[in-house]
Amino acid sequence: QKEVEQNSGPLSVPEGAIASLNCTYSDRVSQSFFWYRQYSGKSPELIMSIYSNGDKEDGRFTAQLNKASQYVSLLIRDSQPSDSATYLCAVILNYGGSQGNLIFGKGTKLSVKP
Amino acid sequence: GAGVSQSPSNKVTEKGKDVELRCDPISGHTALYWYRQSLGQGLEFLIYFQGNSAPDKSGLPSDRFSAERTGGSVSTLTIQRTQQEDSAVYLCASSLMGFTNTGELFFGEGSRLTVL
Repeated sequence: QKEVEQNSGPLSVPEGAIASLNCTYSDRVSQSFFWYRQYSGKSPELIMSIYSNGDKEDGRFTAQLNKASQYVSLLIRDSQPSDSATYLCAVILNYGGSQGNLIFGKGTKLSVKP
Repeated sequence: GAGVSQSPSNKVTEKGKDVELRCDPISGHTALYWYRQSLGQGLEFLIYFQGNSAPDKSGLPSDRFSAERTGGSVSTLTIQRTQQEDSAVYLCASSLMGFTNTGELFFGEGSRLTVL
């Protein structure tokens, strides 16, 4: 089983809609989860981090974490064309020789249509 | 410097040649990562340095790949006897990994490697 899994998309939503991006992970004891955004041809940048079960809101972005289900999601409200990018889920591993290592999913490509 | 600096930004080489990619992290950042990203793919972890600890080399795809970090700062990723499948963007990132383990990586602009 891959350590961090995401649907590759593309996910297409109309402007103003809610975009929902999902991620599952295999390490049961992971405590730290992140969402990075990568515009085409650019490097990734951190947009959200979440450490506790439940929701964390930051402007139009909400991260949701369910450790029992090993599931983390990102909701983007009032989606804008400028949100069109690839969204990468990342998890810090907490086992073995890879402790502290940040592992990325393959990313979900989001397209927001005007 | 203000951000993570990588060089060269672009490198075209012939199959079988060796290449060196350089990364200069943000001053004071103790953690340094190398990732590889092929066209349309996610980030593939290669190697991770944290302070003076032994590096985590578990992501290096073959023994043709090696990396070092001198003095806890600048890092060099070396690929020997390059193959066409090595063509990718090589991304370096650094992080201030304190007790809180924030996981916020600051990425460089990457080195695009093309092996002909």
